[in-house]
Amino acid sequence: GENVEQHPSTLSVQEGDSAVIKCTYSDSASNYFPWYKQELGKRPQLIIDIRSNVGEKKDQRIAVTLNKTAKHFSLHITETQPEDSAVYFCAASMDTNAGKSTFGDGTTLTVKP
Amino acid sequence: GAGVSQSPSNKVTEKGKDVELRCDPISGHTALYWYRQRLGQGLEFLIYFQGNSAPDKSGLPSDRFSAERTGESVSTLTIQRTQQEDSAVYLCASSFGGMRNEQFFGPGTRLTVL
Repeated sequence: GENVEQHPSTLSVQEGDSAVIKCTYSDSASNYFPWYKQELGKRPQLIIDIRSNVGEKKDQRIAVTLNKTAKHFSLHITETQPEDSAVYFCAASMDTNAGKSTFGDGTTLTVKP
Repeated sequence: GAGVSQSPSNKVTEKGKDVELRCDPISGHTALYWYRQRLGQGLEFLIYFQGNSAPDKSGLPSDRFSAERTGESVSTLTIQRTQQEDSAVYLCASSFGGMRNEQFFGPGTRLTVL
């Protein structure tokens, strides 16, 4: 089955700096890669996703890049703000009816004011 | 529209008792997942239902854990003879599946086993 590894497990940055979180996956058939943000005490929520037919997607200060050949994808947050502090999870799946999502172990991001 | 709901929101039980946790997915979502999240930890996959296919139970940690789903609606996660290490937040998520694989999470049930 699919195996997703996520790095780093913790990341601390100064407000205004950029943050990058990386994930690798093992199943070359995976073609859907979402990122979820979980604030303290709350449920995970989707913040951005990418499908394998594109290499990059942006939404304001966040972007995701995908390298299918190397089987890795990354989350980029620019101009970080204290409210970006949370746990971020990557996931991989096939976008078929049988496609089960596999999550990474999460990255705790702390943005220092 | 309504999101994923879970009940109860909190459950405190004594070691050895059975507990049943409920998840109401978003209407029309064919896929349903259960996860366990211990304090400060990641999402531990437990079980996955997709339509009428046999569930993927590969994440259930022991035979004390079981789950059922009625069609494409409500799911219940049952933990028998609870142990203190079962204490965690149990999250349910649902999705349309296929090309719309975004998961929508419920608020979770916080289980405390004394």
